[in-house]
Amino acid sequence: AQSVTQPDIHITVSEGASLELRCNYSYGATPYLFWYVQSPGQGLQLLLKYFSGDTLVQGIKGFEAEFKRSQSSFNLRKPSVHWSDAAEYFCAVGARAAGNKLTFGGGTRVLVKP
Amino acid sequence: GAVVSQHPSRVICKSGTSVKIECRSLDFQATTMFWYRQFPKQSLMLMATSNEGSKATYEQGVEKDKFLINHASLTLSTLTVTSAHPEDSSFYICSASELGGRSNQPQHFGDGTRLSIL
Repeated sequence: AQSVTQPDIHITVSEGASLELRCNYSYGATPYLFWYVQSPGQGLQLLLKYFSGDTLVQGIKGFEAEFKRSQSSFNLRKPSVHWSDAAEYFCAVGARAAGNKLTFGGGTRVLVKP
Repeated sequence: GAVVSQHPSRVICKSGTSVKIECRSLDFQATTMFWYRQFPKQSLMLMATSNEGSKATYEQGVEKDKFLINHASLTLSTLTVTSAHPEDSSFYICSASELGGRSNQPQHFGDGTRLSIL
């Protein structure tokens, strides 16, 4: 079975500072990996995805993530955070063998200080 | 980009009422839609996979008679919470993947439905 761990429940960062959100997954084969962002009371927006190929993927809103197979990680980064980046971030893993069902991590809430 | 519309966005009703939530893919076809439940400050929990033209597949512990799912077309899936009670109050979110045979299509999410049972 696949699983996803986001070790940080909360992260507070100053506006303009860099941000890194950790994600570790467990899956027996090559996973499909996703990062989603959720604003309060809303659905999820896809930030970026990794299926294969280049392990550094670029997403929307200036986010990027790097797939590291050796570490079973898919950390999300942004060089300079904006106040509008305050939200809940979810890492998810999907797999063809699982009928494309997504397994989500517990989420990381990002707070941005002025 | 792919848009998923979920309606209604908020429902408040009395205990014992049945509530229907619609999930539509607006600009693409989806043979599969997913229904999730999210408790406050928690992650998404997959409830069931909705398959067009066939029965939904429910996750372990989810009562299929309580949460009825119908996926009558390639653009519409509905979740009906039957005889809802206060413990059914939650945020329900649907998602859909684009048709096309590629198993790695990302899921696109609706904006969710906040269900409050009094």
